[in-house]
Parts: sequence; structure tokens; C-alpha cells
Amino acid sequence: GQNIDQPTEMTATEGAIVQINCTYQTSGFNGLFWYQQHAGEAPTFLSYNVLDGLEEKGRFSSFLSRSKGYSYLLLKELQMKDSASYLCAVKIAGGYNKLIFGAGTRLAVHP
Amino acid sequence: GAVVSQHPSRVICKSGTSVKIECRSLDFQATTMFWYRQFPKQSLMLMATSNEGSKATYEQGVEKDKFLINHASLTLSTLTVTSAHPEDSSFYICSARGGQAGNTIYFGEGSWLTVV
Repeated sequence: GQNIDQPTEMTATEGAIVQINCTYQTSGFNGLFWYQQHAGEAPTFLSYNVLDGLEEKGRFSSFLSRSKGYSYLLLKELQMKDSASYLCAVKIAGGYNKLIFGAGTRLAVHP
Repeated sequence: GAVVSQHPSRVICKSGTSVKIECRSLDFQATTMFWYRQFPKQSLMLMATSNEGSKATYEQGVEKDKFLINHASLTLSTLTVTSAHPEDSSFYICSARGGQAGNTIYFGEGSWLTVV
């Protein structure tokens, strides 16, 4: 089976740093994605990791450890507009490389 | 950049009727598209993988006779919710794989279905 876990909710203060963790146990792994989703809208791509290590893109960074089945998304200099759901998704190797999503983490940024 | 377009964005239908949602890749060919359903405050649940020219592959627990998927061309996949019931009301979203080596997943804008 496929199991992707992330915290349900997190809160943080504007200007601060927040780390959203994701652990996965899947039958086959071919990369991990992070998406941002505002309510009622389509997910927006944030990052993609296929090799171990840190990928940095502006205020967002994502880390992957394949041996530990672990990833995190780091958001720096938080802004109010960062309040959204953050979805961890694993691309399952084989077949059609389908993308399986975790339940998502709802982040609330307050002043 | 690549765009995936979904239509309609919102639809209301009566119980017992069928409704069709279209997913188009606008500037690239997508041999594989994915259909997801998302209930409020929940994550995206993969329903099926749509393959051009062949039958869709459904995830466990998804009724293939209720959610008909047709991928008749390299740029169009359709999801038809048959004999819709209020519990089918949800946000349906498609995605297509594109980019170099097919490593980029592009999402449509999503379709809100309300069954009354």
C-alpha cells in the first residue's frame, strides 16, 4: 500500500520560518513533489526532489532523504499569503508514474 | 508554458443525471492524464489514470461504471459522472504529465460538481 503522512495543521507567525514534514512508505519511489493549494483552487507546483539533499528556490526549500522515506518543505520569511494547504506527493515508479498525495498540511500564518 | 484546461469550472446537476468534465492539454501531447477527487478540507484522491487509446486504470474502490473515462486523443480526456448523487458532489481535478522526460505534472483548474 501507499502511505504518506504529514501534519494536519500548523500555525506560524509572519516573518518566521516553518518546516512541514512528510514521511512516506510507498511501493516504488520516483520522486517527491510539494504543492501549495489555496481553498477551491488547483495545486501550484513548488518543488520536486528525486535525489537526496536540499533544493532551494527563493523562500522555499525542500529536502529529501530516500533512505529514511522523509522530506520536508521549509518556508522562510513567512507572509500572510502563504496561508494555504501544502501537499506532499510521491511519484510511484512503474506503470504510469502516478502521483499519490498526502492528506495535506493546512498552514495558518498570523501577524 | 504548458497549460491544462478543464471545463466546466462549475456545474450543477440533478440527481440521477450524468455530467461530463473535459480535460485538455493545450500545447503539448499527453498520453497519460490523471483524475483526482477532492472533498472539502481533504487531499486529492487519485481516482484513475487515463491512457490515450486504451482503457483507464482505476484505483481501488473507484467504480469504473460510475466514473467513465475516455481518452480519445492525445490532448483530451473526459470524465463522466453517471447517475450522479449528492454524495458525488466534489472538486474534480485532472492532471497531465509533460515537460522534459515527462517529469512535470500540470494540473487543470478543477471542476466543482454540485448534485442537487
